Amino acid sequence: NAGVTQTPKFRVLKTGQSMTLLCAQDMNHEYMYWYRQDPGMGLRLIHYSVGEGTTAKGEVPDGYNVSRLKKQNFLLGLESAAPSQTSVYFCASSKTGRDKAQYFGPGTRLLVL
Amino acid sequence: AQSVTQLDSHVSVSEGTPVLLRCNYSSSYSPSLFWYVQHPNKGLQLLLKYTSAATLVKGINGFEAEFKKSETSFHLTKPSAHMSDAAEYFCVVSDQGFGYNKLIFGAGTRLAVHP
Repeated sequence: NAGVTQTPKFRVLKTGQSMTLLCAQDMNHEYMYWYRQDPGMGLRLIHYSVGEGTTAKGEVPDGYNVSRLKKQNFLLGLESAAPSQTSVYFCASSKTGRDKAQYFGPGTRLLVL
Repeated sequence: AQSVTQLDSHVSVSEGTPVLLRCNYSSSYSPSLFWYVQHPNKGLQLLLKYTSAATLVKGINGFEAEFKKSETSFHLTKPSAHMSDAAEYFCVVSDQGFGYNKLIFGAGTRLAVHP
């Protein structure tokens, strides 16, 4: 099993450009999550999904959109990138239930100039 | 509301000596607790989890943690540090009532291992 994979690993954008980050998991997990990690801010939840076709906002959703068309994939979109979105983005997945651990991908490092 | 406090932001040990990373939690009910490790420029890897079964939890790479309800603690230990253990460690509690598996992260403890 590959677990949780993310593409791309690294990307540089100019302000105003758009891009999509792809997350895929092969563990048949119902729940998927997108986080961003910034120095001194820890991990913050952007959006999450509790099943195929459903998404919901997390703590810091502004400037991002998501889609979960297939159970194994969770896409994070930036429609008009801003320098404040420079960050490391992590995708995670988990089974249902609060005692189920989340499993993280390797991250995507995004630099917005 | 749930919360976790990692009592040390930095811990430095010599290779071969024991590791102790401290974590206290606050919870109004029986919590689910986790420890994750993050090596530089890598994702978060689950070390171990406590989900109301045995209070002493064994994880990967020789790490273990003990859930102590009376002390509201979940400290992470390892008998003998290895250079490859140098990383950032996060104590995490799972919250409920949000319709999904919400995780509350501690601020992290950076572990340095010296030869």
